[in-house]
Amino acid sequence: GAVVSQHPSWVICKSGTSVKIECRSLDFQATTMFWYRQFPKQSLMLMATSNEGSKATYEQGVEKDKFLINHASLTLSTLTVTSAHPEDSSFYICSAPVAGNQPQHFGDGTRLSIL
Amino acid sequence: QKEVEQDPGPLSVPEGAIVSLNCTYSNSAFQYFMWYRQYSRKGPELLMYTYSSGNKEDGRFTAQVDKSSKYISLFIRDSQPSDSATYLCAMNTNAGKSTFGDGTTLTVKP
Repeated sequence: GAVVSQHPSWVICKSGTSVKIECRSLDFQATTMFWYRQFPKQSLMLMATSNEGSKATYEQGVEKDKFLINHASLTLSTLTVTSAHPEDSSFYICSAPVAGNQPQHFGDGTRLSIL
Repeated sequence: QKEVEQDPGPLSVPEGAIVSLNCTYSNSAFQYFMWYRQYSRKGPELLMYTYSSGNKEDGRFTAQVDKSSKYISLFIRDSQPSDSATYLCAMNTNAGKSTFGDGTTLTVKP
């Protein structure tokens, strides 16, 4: 089946640093990828839609300058949390559909802890 | 009102029980219906995917879609402790962006 790989799985860093999370589609090309945030015991919150070769589309209330998304190739999207603070600590998950309206396949998520 | 409402749970059942997980929706444009399973500290895993009304079976899992009632269900037969997880329903329009339910946490006790 379709595989989406996310890296790193866990990162701890100091307040003020920037953190980059990678999302790769391993066995298919993904023109669209999605980035979610999930708080404990809550559902997925869509942050942005990443489009290969164009700007990402952010959901209402998500700061574009805080969460930088780059989708430079058909198999890689990155999310950079800039100047991270403790309130940015969360579980970040990416996903991609194999094609257009097909179901999304998810990465295993990145646990981000900001001290 | 949310577009997708999922029975909140949590559910706790004995091993071997039949489990029913349910979602309702309000958007008639939803065409694709999915069930995901999420273990703690992991990304969601696609379990079942259906396009039209009716039933789809895969081993111990059966997905049911009733578009006329805007209601979908996932049945798990002979539930096992390894089925303990959070189950998310999700729905797509033709545009491809998914709308998720809030999830139901299931515990199957040995």
